Amino acid sequence: EVQLVESGGGLVQPGGSLRLSCAASGFTFSSYEMNWVRQAPGKGLEWVSYISSSGSTIYYADSVKGRFTISRDNAKNSLYLQMNSLRAEDTAVYYCARGGGGPRCFDYWGQGTLVTVSS
Amino acid sequence: SYELTQPPSVSVSPGQTARITCSGDALPKQYAYWYQQKPGQAPVLVIYKDSERPSGIPERFSGSSSGTTVTLTISGVQAEDEADYYCQSADSSGTYAVFGGGTQLTVL
Repeated sequence: EVQLVESGGGLVQPGGSLRLSCAASGFTFSSYEMNWVRQAPGKGLEWVSYISSSGSTIYYADSVKGRFTISRDNAKNSLYLQMNSLRAEDTAVYYCARGGGGPRCFDYWGQGTLVTVSS
Repeated sequence: SYELTQPPSVSVSPGQTARITCSGDALPKQYAYWYQQKPGQAPVLVIYKDSERPSGIPERFSGSSSGTTVTLTISGVQAEDEADYYCQSADSSGTYAVFGGGTQLTVL
């Protein structure tokens, strides 16, 4: 059974940093593209970042480019999102999502971790 | 930036057919995907590659595509189908994933 478990969320002040992790199990992690998707309270879904299976190709949404860094450790079956210079508008539930089912498709999702940026 | 447009809400009675549309200029070139999200839960993929249904998704869920519009159809809607539905695709280059604004399906 595919499982994605996010951790690392919490309350952080504007301008602060946070590192999210996603632990994967139930599939060959190193064979799959991975993504982060977020959802602000009461709002819709927003794709944040993509990383290829090897980690060699990375994309970011314009809203986080230059502030967020996606990475992965295939030996540890883990995905990460380093978030710097956080803003109030980054407040959201952050989901880890596996790439599968087609180009830029997200076939499995974690339960999410809440990031709150507030003073 | 590229946008996908969905109606904010759709309402249907139990047993009726619900149709949720999604429009975007790149949809003739890029696959569309549909996700169901119930309150407090993570999204679930219900349609991939315009019209394919993942295993475990009921047959009453179907997808179709015509030009710049894709449609999620739920036949014989049940109370448990009440949820938010999001279409998703990629920009014309195929690089960036994009979500529609979401449609709240209400079962009357």
